[in-house]
Amino acid sequence: NAGVTQTPKFRVLKTGQSMTLLCAQDMNHEYMYWYRQDPGMGLRLIHYSVGEGTTAKGEVPDGYNVSRLKKQNFLLGLESAAPSQTSVYFCASSYDSGQGRNYGYTFGSGTRLTVV
Amino acid sequence: RKEVEQDPGPFNVPEGATVAFNCTYSNSASQSFFWYRQDCRKEPKLLMSVYSSGNEDGRFTAQLNRASQYISLLIRDSKLSDSATYLCVVRDSNYQLIWGAGTKLIIKP
Repeated sequence: NAGVTQTPKFRVLKTGQSMTLLCAQDMNHEYMYWYRQDPGMGLRLIHYSVGEGTTAKGEVPDGYNVSRLKKQNFLLGLESAAPSQTSVYFCASSYDSGQGRNYGYTFGSGTRLTVV
Repeated sequence: RKEVEQDPGPFNVPEGATVAFNCTYSNSASQSFFWYRQDCRKEPKLLMSVYSSGNEDGRFTAQLNRASQYISLLIRDSKLSDSATYLCVVRDSNYQLIWGAGTKLIIKP
């Protein structure tokens, strides 16, 4: 059982380049999320999805786009990378919105992105 | 003021000792509370949920104080493998998770 798989694990981009980060989960979870983690800060939500075909903005959506064409996949796109987007990106999934008592997110192993 | 605040540490603790750290949150309407553990250069993993009545899982005890708006994590008989960053997480009334920046714990032999 792979859980949540992110690709790639590392990437270096030049300013202005574009790329797509892929997140795949095999747990049949409805909810999927993209976060970024920067030193000294908590995880910040970029975009999320509550089901196939739906996406919504999180706390820091500017400069990113997402798509959820299939339930198991959630893609994060950077159209024109900027140095401020240098970060560690985590994808996560969950069964529901968190109403259950044993609620928890399953995270992928992260993508370390450097924009130069 | 940050919505979820944690002492960044590091807490340097000898093996076998008891260590506790707190996390404060600003939104009194927050609904659920969690502790996650994150090892260096790894993803966060759920350690435990925090219930109103407090809860214990082996050497770990979590407490919630709604009146003072903080949660705590107590680790007894600390092990070298407990070295990690502990993330405090609060779920607001919109079911969004708000993450603290984490408290770094280093257990020394």
